Amino acid sequence: AQSVTQLGSHVSVSEGALVLLRCNYSSSVPPYLFWYVQYPNQGLQLLLKYTTGATLVKGINGFEAEFKKSETSFHLTKPSAHMSDAAEYFCAVTLDDTGRRALTFGSGTRLQVQP
Amino acid sequence: DGGITQSPKYLFRKEGQNVTLSCEQNLNHDAMYWYRQDPGQGLRLIYYSQIVNDFQKGDIAEGYSVSREKKESFPLTVTSAQKNPTAFYLCASSAEGGFSNQPQHFGDGTRLSIL
Repeated sequence: AQSVTQLGSHVSVSEGALVLLRCNYSSSVPPYLFWYVQYPNQGLQLLLKYTTGATLVKGINGFEAEFKKSETSFHLTKPSAHMSDAAEYFCAVTLDDTGRRALTFGSGTRLQVQP
Repeated sequence: DGGITQSPKYLFRKEGQNVTLSCEQNLNHDAMYWYRQDPGQGLRLIYYSQIVNDFQKGDIAEGYSVSREKKESFPLTVTSAQKNPTAFYLCASSAEGGFSNQPQHFGDGTRLSIL
């Protein structure tokens, strides 16, 4: 069965510091990968996606992620955190799961930004 | 503006009562999805529909029912058989379902509570 693991349910950084949110997946075939952000009491908003081609993907709000097939990872980074980045972040994958074809989400990482 | 509209934003259910959550999209998307979100558990798939008049069970379909009579509408009924319905419910759509590189677009959710 497919799985998505987000290491660290809570991450706290200082404003201006590097943001690193980790995502690992298990898949027998190359997946499509997504990062979403959720602000309180709202739906999810797409940050970026990897489908094919360049493994370093740039998204909105200065975020980027790198697909590393050998490590089965798709970590999300941002060079300098802003207060407005405080939210919950979800990694998701589309996997070739027989019998069902839909996104599988990680359990989320809540990012806290300290002034 | 195109998007997904979920209503109501807050909903209360009495014991033994069925309630229906509305989800409408004007993105002309073929696929629609319902997720349940509980703290610390990420998003879990309840039902999904890849085309009108067709839908499939997700991971936690017990106690829920759906219909897809129109392309733009995918209502979710939480039945009295769902013993723990308190959660945040998210509806999503994508241009196509299946093993796809198309991202999902989300509504702003409905928060359901038990009276």
